[in-house]
Amino acid sequence: SAVISQKPSRDICQRGTSLTIQCQVDSQVTMMFWYRQQPGQSLTLIATANQGSEATYESGFVIDKFPISRPNLTFSTLTVSNMSPEDSSIYLCSVRDRGGTEAFFGQGTRLTVV
Amino acid sequence: QKEVEQNSGPLSVPEGAIASLNCTYSDRGSQSFFWYRQYSGKSPELIMFIYSNGDKEDGRFTAQLNKASQYVSLLIRDSQPSDSATYLCAVGVPTGGGNKLTFGTGTQLKVEL
Repeated sequence: SAVISQKPSRDICQRGTSLTIQCQVDSQVTMMFWYRQQPGQSLTLIATANQGSEATYESGFVIDKFPISRPNLTFSTLTVSNMSPEDSSIYLCSVRDRGGTEAFFGQGTRLTVV
Repeated sequence: QKEVEQNSGPLSVPEGAIASLNCTYSDRGSQSFFWYRQYSGKSPELIMFIYSNGDKEDGRFTAQLNKASQYVSLLIRDSQPSDSATYLCAVGVPTGGGNKLTFGTGTQLKVEL
């Protein structure tokens, strides 16, 4: 399985600011995803990070709020923009190995907006 | 709305017993099924995956899939206190770019001494 490094692991941010979360994988992967897990809830897919093109967003998530970059097959960033307390959550990067369907997760970023 | 449903629990079992975790899904196009374990404050960890009807065993874990009933389960034999965690069921549907996973809300398992 791929080794996924996600940072920062946690942060406390002021409302109205933005935070960029990085996801680095130790091998080339076909697909990278960003999820949100709000307190006490399950994982919700935000978007699929596409290499060399715009991310594919799920219903309820928009590029202006969650811009995503994926410059190559091993790295992606998620920015949470103009944050409000409702954005307090754990954000998780997930990857799928080339040719595989199993998804693996980074350690997550615990974001608190005050 | 495509859904994956799990009983939130907590499911309490004594140490050494069999824990049975259940999951139903609504999308008949689902082709891959996963069980993740998530300890409090940690990210999900893949335990098992299954693609075909029937049983798949890996150590103390057995995944069971019944596509006709749209039902997938996870059995944990000889449950240990270290198995206490939330277990997430995830269902994969093929899309143009690969499989899209939908997660259930998870079942909290408590293994008691």
